[in-house]
Amino acid sequence: EIVLTQSPGTLSLSPGERATLSCWATQSVNNNYLAWYQQKPGQAPRVLIYAASIRATGVPDRFSGSGSGTDFTLTISRLEPEDFAVYYCQQYDRSPWTFGQGTKVEIK
Amino acid sequence: EVQLVESGGGLVQPGGSLRLSCAASGFTFSTYDMHWVRQATGKGLEWVSAIGAAGDTYYSDSVKGRFTISRENAKNSLYLQMNSLRAGDTAVYFCAALGPIIIWGQGTMVTVSS
Repeated sequence: EIVLTQSPGTLSLSPGERATLSCWATQSVNNNYLAWYQQKPGQAPRVLIYAASIRATGVPDRFSGSGSGTDFTLTISRLEPEDFAVYYCQQYDRSPWTFGQGTKVEIK
Repeated sequence: EVQLVESGGGLVQPGGSLRLSCAASGFTFSTYDMHWVRQATGKGLEWVSAIGAAGDTYYSDSVKGRFTISRENAKNSLYLQMNSLRAGDTAVYFCAALGPIIIWGQGTMVTVSS
């Protein structure tokens, strides 16, 4: 089983600052089948990035994904008020498909 | 419009059964691997089960032997038959399509309680 570990658990930042979220896998994620989601309270997860670096339709270009193998990063270049939320990474390379535990981005 | 809509959630007693459905539209359902993911209140996302485009099935250890995933491509529908339900199965259940694009539904709430 591929275990995903996200860091940090909580990120306290101000609007306009840059956010860097990490996701480490215990085994290589083949084909870079790694997605990033944003989730706000009471809402379903919203896909931001898939295949490690491809922005989903409608996602602002301040969101970017990078990485390969076992190390992946989600970067939010300048935080907007609506970006404060919980972010999850997920590998969809193989069963069991697994999620990271989440990173909460909160207003400082 | 590309969307997934879940239904079938509700309140059920421990040991009971429930069948969730997920209706797909706006994409070629038959070509996508389909998944069920759940989230207990205040917790993270937990993968539950998947069915490939070819009909191969996969389950998490926590539901293996109790849940059955199936699909009906002619109806663009995904199902999850949940038997022997436990309090720990209480969660919002999402269906998701993982393929060339990733699509999630809005979820349906399942509460297992006496």
